[in-house]
Amino acid sequence: AQKITQTQPGMFVQEKEAVTLDCTYDTSDQSYGLFWYKQPSSGEMIFLIYQGSYDEQNATEGRYSLNFQKARKSANLVISASQLGDSAMYFCAMRARMDSSYKLIFGSGTRLLVRP
Amino acid sequence: GAVVSQHPSWVICKSGTSVKIECRSLDFQATTMFWYRQFPKQSLMLMATSNEGSKATYEQGVEKDKFLINHASLTLSTLTVTSAHPEDSSFYICSARDLQGKETQYFGPGTRLLVL
Repeated sequence: AQKITQTQPGMFVQEKEAVTLDCTYDTSDQSYGLFWYKQPSSGEMIFLIYQGSYDEQNATEGRYSLNFQKARKSANLVISASQLGDSAMYFCAMRARMDSSYKLIFGSGTRLLVRP
Repeated sequence: GAVVSQHPSWVICKSGTSVKIECRSLDFQATTMFWYRQFPKQSLMLMATSNEGSKATYEQGVEKDKFLINHASLTLSTLTVTSAHPEDSSFYICSARDLQGKETQYFGPGTRLLVL
């Protein structure tokens, strides 16, 4: 079964510190993609970072990095130097092939609150 | 690049009326667009996959006659909620898949529907 699991419903982090948001996935596909999206209170889904299953190096985008451990099927998001504007919901998602088409499967999300 | 717009951002309507929501990819062509629904404090639920020039593919449990999807061009998909009822009140968000590079889905800002 294709599944994304985010076990942290909520997280706190002090401003300027780093935080790791957990994500594990389950798939039988050999080729898949992993995404992280940020959803602020306004509701828009902002694409943060992508990791392909065949990518040998961990993806990085500015302050965001993805700690990809394929054997453990985990794709944790690391946010360095947290800012107040990072407070939002964060969703991990996997591109999976289902019913002859590719779809995004989302985790339940983690709400991050950055403390000043 | 990779901007998706959605209109309207807010709509309030009376029970029994139909509501049309537009999703546009502004700077890329999208043969495939997706429609999601999100309830408060929950993750995104895929409703249907919209394919340009062909019928939409609906997820299990989503009423085709209730949620009409039209993908008339490579940059526009519309979702019409027909004979809306209060239980249809939700946050509807579309995405468009950029076939270049990583096949990332880029999301619109969403539409909040309130049916009175």
